[in-house]
Amino acid sequence: QVQLVESGGGVVQPGRSLRLSCAVSGFTFTYYTMHWVRQAPGKGLEWVAAISYDGSNKYYADSVKGRFTISRDNSKNTLYLQMNSLRAEDTAVYYCAREESGYDFAFDIWGQGTMVTVSS
Amino acid sequence: DIQMTQSPSSLSASVGDRVTITCRASQSIGNYLNWYQHTPGKAPRLLIYAASILHSGVPSRFSGSGSGTDFTLTISSLLPEDFATYFCQQTYDNTYTFGQGTKLEI
Repeated sequence: QVQLVESGGGVVQPGRSLRLSCAVSGFTFTYYTMHWVRQAPGKGLEWVAAISYDGSNKYYADSVKGRFTISRDNSKNTLYLQMNSLRAEDTAVYYCAREESGYDFAFDIWGQGTMVTVSS
Repeated sequence: DIQMTQSPSSLSASVGDRVTITCRASQSIGNYLNWYQHTPGKAPRLLIYAASILHSGVPSRFSGSGSGTDFTLTISSLLPEDFATYFCQQTYDNTYTFGQGTKLEI
């Protein structure tokens, strides 16, 4: 069964760090570009970051560039998002998603999300 | 950056209605336009990719059209499970921008 399971969310103070994980199963992780997408309370979806299948290319939204780092461990079938210098505006549900190049790069598989709350 | 603008932001409808949601890109994106359905507490679901191709398992009452800058998502006859929020997304460039969403309400 194809599955993405996020973990690592929680409540954190402004300026602190948090690392999210996304455990993948049911497909060959090493074949796919992966993404993080977030949804702040009452807001729409916002793309956060992407990483190519082998980790050689990474892309970030301007809102997180320089503070967040996306990475992957293909031996563990796991995607990560290291979030530093967190701000109140980073409060959101964070989803990991698989990009399917055969679908014009649409995100065909998503996790259920993990909530991050940045608050003092 | 490419901006994606959806309209309307919310829509009231009834079971059996036909509804159309529009999405406009700030520059031409070819057919690199996708539609997603999102219900609170659930993972977003891919409905349509490449502007008009129905993703596997998605009912045929959903359809998409458009190219360049203007796109539409149509649901031909609403069922109760269709009341959700719908997002468009461009995958033309590496900013993967989403529209702000259209909340479909009873």
